[in-house]
Amino acid sequence: SQKIEQNSEALNIQEGKTATLTCNYTNYSPAYLQWYRQDPGRGPVFLLLIRENEKEKRKERLKVTFDTTLKQSLFHITASQPADSATYLCANNNDMRFGAGTRLTVKP
Amino acid sequence: KAGVTQTPRYLIKTRGQQVTLSCSPISGHRSVSWYQQTPGQGLQFLFEYFSETQRNKGNFPGRFSGRQFSNSRSEMNVSTLELGDSALYLCASSSEGLAGEKDEQYFGPGTRLTVT
Repeated sequence: SQKIEQNSEALNIQEGKTATLTCNYTNYSPAYLQWYRQDPGRGPVFLLLIRENEKEKRKERLKVTFDTTLKQSLFHITASQPADSATYLCANNNDMRFGAGTRLTVKP
Repeated sequence: KAGVTQTPRYLIKTRGQQVTLSCSPISGHRSVSWYQQTPGQGLQFLFEYFSETQRNKGNFPGRFSGRQFSNSRSEMNVSTLELGDSALYLCASSSEGLAGEKDEQYFGPGTRLTVT
């Protein structure tokens, strides 16, 4: 069956380091992937969209890559801060699939 | 621009009752999607409405239904509530690109439903 999977349930890193989150998809080829941030008790907030013909997209301290060979998207937060602590979700909007999310904790 | 609003924010119901949740999308957005979020299952797609028509449907029983009005506001209804329906129900609206692909979704704050 078609799936979007975020294999890490949780990721803990030290402030200032780069956080790297992984999103894998199986049994289909999404035209694009999106990344969202969700804080407890709130709805997800859109961060970045990357299309299959784009290798990389950046926005401030955020960077997303899309590797159609590996069927994977990586989401990086550089110079991480405690305020970056949240759950990050990847999604393909066209078929409404969301990954389970990775809960990132940045420790001071 | 005002964001997506959902009412009510919190709701407590008992098993067997029914509930109606409301969502007002961002002005100009014609696509409204509904999701159920639980700790165990994550974000699960319920259905999407576009111009008053259900365009996509997730894998939920018929007890879950929805509709969209001409002003794009949407409601979802859950009948014969079960304990397992306790969840955060999120509504999201989006515009569409020229090729029909969806732009990013804007989520509301959600309605926290507790079934006792």
